[in-house]
Amino acid sequence: EPEVTQTPSHQVTQMGQEVILRCVPISNHLYFYWYRQILGQKVEFLVSFYNNEISEKSEIFDDQFSVERPDGSNFTLKIRSTKLEDSAMYFCASLGQGRHEQFFGPGTRLTVL
Amino acid sequence: SQKIEQNSEALNIQEGKTATLTCNYTNYSPAYLQWYRQDPGRGPVFLLLIRENEKEKRKERLKVTFDTTLKQSLFHITASQPADSATYLCALPPEGGYQKVTFGIGTKLQVIP
Repeated sequence: EPEVTQTPSHQVTQMGQEVILRCVPISNHLYFYWYRQILGQKVEFLVSFYNNEISEKSEIFDDQFSVERPDGSNFTLKIRSTKLEDSAMYFCASLGQGRHEQFFGPGTRLTVL
Repeated sequence: SQKIEQNSEALNIQEGKTATLTCNYTNYSPAYLQWYRQDPGRGPVFLLLIRENEKEKRKERLKVTFDTTLKQSLFHITASQPADSATYLCALPPEGGYQKVTFGIGTKLQVIP
């Protein structure tokens, strides 16, 4: 069964450093998302991506964040200068054309020290 | 803005009993509602979608109801098993939109053998 994969599973970084979180969505899906979940809190939408551009972003997704689909398979989230409050689980998700159920990856745990 | 309420307290039930979880929402009339399962440290996994014109949906031991007048969905797991222990998330699309979802905080279910 096809699945969304994410790397790394755990990323530890120093405050102010740049991080890139990587995702490989399901191959025939067209819509891609990043969500985050701070420990003990709800899963929060960050950004959606369709047709090689951002279709929607939340207030959380400020200028420190960017997304890219550099090739036909990878979908990345970059945080330019990490803050302590960026520590969270980051989930990538993808969605097929005409569908509503999103498929989530296993997540990347980001720890900012 | 839309608001989703789930009982964030844990629900403990005996194995074999029916678990019932509640999702309430306000300020909004969604075209559909989804339920996801989340295990600790993992991404959400889609379970069921119910549309606004459907009263009830079933999938194996799972049943979801959707009352658009009460603005409430109930999620039932019959003949519960310890393997059903997880956090269950209610998710709604944005009003007028069909892609990104907004999650409730989730209800943690513990099935006791």
